[in-house]
Amino acid sequence: EVQLVESGGGVVRPGGSLRLSCATSGFTFDDYGMNWVRQAPGKGLEWVSGINWNGGSIGYADSVKGRFTISRDNAKNSLYLQMNSLRAEDTAFYHCARAQSGGSYSRAIDFWGQGALVTVSS
Amino acid sequence: QSVLTQPPSVSAAPGQRVTISCSGSISNIGSNYVSWYQQFPGTAPKLLIYDSDKRPSGIPDRFSGSKSGTSATLGITGLQTGDEADYYCGTWDRSLSASFGGGTKLTVL
Repeated sequence: EVQLVESGGGVVRPGGSLRLSCATSGFTFDDYGMNWVRQAPGKGLEWVSGINWNGGSIGYADSVKGRFTISRDNAKNSLYLQMNSLRAEDTAFYHCARAQSGGSYSRAIDFWGQGALVTVSS
Repeated sequence: QSVLTQPPSVSAAPGQRVTISCSGSISNIGSNYVSWYQQFPGTAPKLLIYDSDKRPSGIPDRFSGSKSGTSATLGITGLQTGDEADYYCGTWDRSLSASFGGGTKLTVL
């Protein structure tokens, strides 16, 4: 069974930093591209970042470019999102999301984690 | 303001058919596949349609997808009360950035 479990969410002040982790199981992690997608409470989905199977191709939404860094550790079957210079508008549930097979992140998302809540507030 | 445009809400009676539209541009829907997701309150989204018109295993054939030019459509036949959820379309653009629609709330009357 595919499982994606996020951790590292919490409350942080504007300008602060947070690192999200996603522990995965139930599939061969380095066969898949991965993404982070966020959803502000009561709002729609917003793609944040994606990384291909070996980290050689990475993309970011304009809203987080230069502030967030995606990475992965295939030996630990884990995905990460380092978030710096956080703003109030970054408040959301952050979902770890697996792209369909092929190694690229730019494919339909076939599995989603439940999400980690990040609240940016003074 | 979402890059892809969906109606905020649609409704229909049980057993009826409903369609949800998703409008984009030549740089996103016009040049890539579309996927559709179903989300119940408090849960993670679930993939319903990929590659514009394909269903993952386990998704009933009551759900269908189509794409024409810069628009896509999700169709649901034989509506059930359990289909009440939010539905999102998504695609990728030429710069490998993903876009989602703003979501459509389906009410089964």
